[in-house]
Amino acid sequence: EAGVTQSPRYAVLQEGQAVSFWCDPISGHDTLYWYQQPRDQGPQLLVYFRDEAVIDNSQLPSDRFSAVRPKGTNSTLKIQSAKQGDTATYLCASSPRDYNQDTQYFGPGTRLLVL
Amino acid sequence: GDKVKQSPSALSLQEGTNSALRCNFSIAATTVQWFLQNPRGSLMNLFYLVPGTKENGRLKSAFDSKESYSTLHIRDAQLEDSGTYFCAAEDSAGNKLTFGIGTRVLVRP
Repeated sequence: EAGVTQSPRYAVLQEGQAVSFWCDPISGHDTLYWYQQPRDQGPQLLVYFRDEAVIDNSQLPSDRFSAVRPKGTNSTLKIQSAKQGDTATYLCASSPRDYNQDTQYFGPGTRLLVL
Repeated sequence: GDKVKQSPSALSLQEGTNSALRCNFSIAATTVQWFLQNPRGSLMNLFYLVPGTKENGRLKSAFDSKESYSTLHIRDAQLEDSGTYFCAAEDSAGNKLTFGIGTRVLVRP
């Protein structure tokens, strides 16, 4: 079974530039999560979807960040006008609809550096 | 990090020895997950716990929801156990994981 895949693996931007991250979850997983992990910290949830619906985006900086999952499979996270404080690893995770064990499976992440 | 507190923040182990990591929760955790992040950044699932204990090879984990803590025991530490261990808790609202800031483990030959 293929795991969660993400691209690109690395991105380097100047402040003010835009960037998009792409995630392909494990086949059949209905729930998809995006996390931001600053250096030396734990992952922090930005947004999560069940199928194509946003369930919680309360931690997503809505003025510059957006996330979509139009067909309930792949997802894109976009940062408009990046800031140095956005430097972090962006992790995507997915989980199956299993009410007995809601384990999240993580992708390799995209490391973003904003200069 | 305040809702899920991990200790110690870092740990250096001699190969072959045992150790324990701990998480204390200030949220009403209903389930706990433990992950190992390797030096390349990949997060690997170790355990998914409801209150109780689980064991997998040299690793054993326990979650006590009444006392709001979880532990991860490493037995006979090996070099490949090095990395950062994260615990994460889910509360009764469901689905959202709150992570601690991790415990950096270095296993020395």
